[in-house]
Amino acid sequence: GENVEQHPSTLSVQEGDSAVIKCTYSDSASNYFPWYKQELGKRPQLIIDIRSNVGEKKDQRIAVTLNKTAKHFSLHITETQPEDSAVYFCAASGQAGTALIFGKGTTLSVSS
Amino acid sequence: EPEVTQTPSHQVTQMGQEVILRCVPISNHLYFYWYRQILGQKVEFLVSFYNNEISEKSEIFDDQFSVERPDGSNFTLKIRSTKLEDSAMYFCASRGSTAYFGPGTRLLVL
Repeated sequence: GENVEQHPSTLSVQEGDSAVIKCTYSDSASNYFPWYKQELGKRPQLIIDIRSNVGEKKDQRIAVTLNKTAKHFSLHITETQPEDSAVYFCAASGQAGTALIFGKGTTLSVSS
Repeated sequence: EPEVTQTPSHQVTQMGQEVILRCVPISNHLYFYWYRQILGQKVEFLVSFYNNEISEKSEIFDDQFSVERPDGSNFTLKIRSTKLEDSAMYFCASRGSTAYFGPGTRLLVL
């Protein structure tokens, strides 16, 4: 089955800096790669996703890149703000009925 | 914006008791999932459900667990005989083109 590795486990940045979180996956059949932000005690909230026919996607300060050959994808947050502090999870899945498998999460701390 | 809803938000039960966790997926979604998250850990896949049957399940989803879509809107997770280690947050998710999570049920087994 699919296995998703995520790095780093913790990331501390100063407000205004960029943050990059990286994930690798094992199943070449995976074609859907969402990123979720989870605040303490809350549900995972989808922040951006990418599908295997696209190499990069951007939404304001957030961007995701995908390298299918290398089986890795990354989340980039620019101009970080204290409210970006949360746990970020990457995930990977194949077609819609299959499991969405999560990485172990990255705790991002943005200090002002 | 449509949302996945879950009830109850919290459930406390005694070891060995049965619990049923309920979810109402987004109405035009066809794929439904249950996940659990032990405090401070990652989100773990339990089971996926499509067309009124299980399409995939993880090793965690053993004979103590079952899922059902009893009435075309609710999607339930039953744990027959709870163990201490079942204490976790349980999230339901539904997927159309993207997957959205419910707010979770925090289960505490004493």
